[in-house]
Amino acid sequence: QQQVKQSPQSLIVQKGGISIINCAYENTAFDYFPWYQQFPGKGPALLIAIRPDVSEKKEGRFTISFNKSAKQFSLHIMDSQPGDSATYFCAARGGSNYKLTFGKGTLLTVNP
Amino acid sequence: DAGVTQSPTHLIKTRGQHVTLRCSPISGHKSVSWYQQVLGQGPQFIFQYYEKEERGRGNFPDRFSARQFPNYSSELNVNALLLGDSALYLCASSLSGSYGYTFGSGTRLTVV
Repeated sequence: QQQVKQSPQSLIVQKGGISIINCAYENTAFDYFPWYQQFPGKGPALLIAIRPDVSEKKEGRFTISFNKSAKQFSLHIMDSQPGDSATYFCAARGGSNYKLTFGKGTLLTVNP
Repeated sequence: DAGVTQSPTHLIKTRGQHVTLRCSPISGHKSVSWYQQVLGQGPQFIFQYYEKEERGRGNFPDRFSARQFPNYSSELNVNALLLGDSALYLCASSLSGSYGYTFGSGTRLTVV
């Protein structure tokens, strides 16, 4: 049972464009939604995270939009750069369960 | 400041063997979690330890076990290795085990 569904599986964007990755969740007990960036051969690195009491959080070029009623959240990367090319994972955690549940990942390629 | 350190970085084992993977958390972090990441997938939760107590276990067979030491470092043990155990094993540490997980670069285990 996949509790966090992520799309698209892969994404190609031109330099300077906006990259948008979407996730949907099922468990209403989730209360923490991080996004991770992973480069080949490395572990996931925390990019930005949000709690469900806010609808949007922005850090630099990265923005999370959160829709609690739809149980969806998304990552927007503004002014995408070739250095942003990586795999991005959404995740969720909540309730008495301390584990992070990850989406399947999105491979982002930013063309120069 | 040193991040989460994992050893070894790469390992090749034969089916049926046993393996021990090690993790040192960020200084001050009392919680360690283990995740398995199969190629092309998101990380899957295996265990979480906090203050040397197991706080959660994922859907993995009893061949997988772990422990946390008084200095908060941790070991993941896998017995009777199967080909399907080939994966990147990630360790994540956090202050309390609830938020702000920082991942190490992982141990790449190949079972032949």
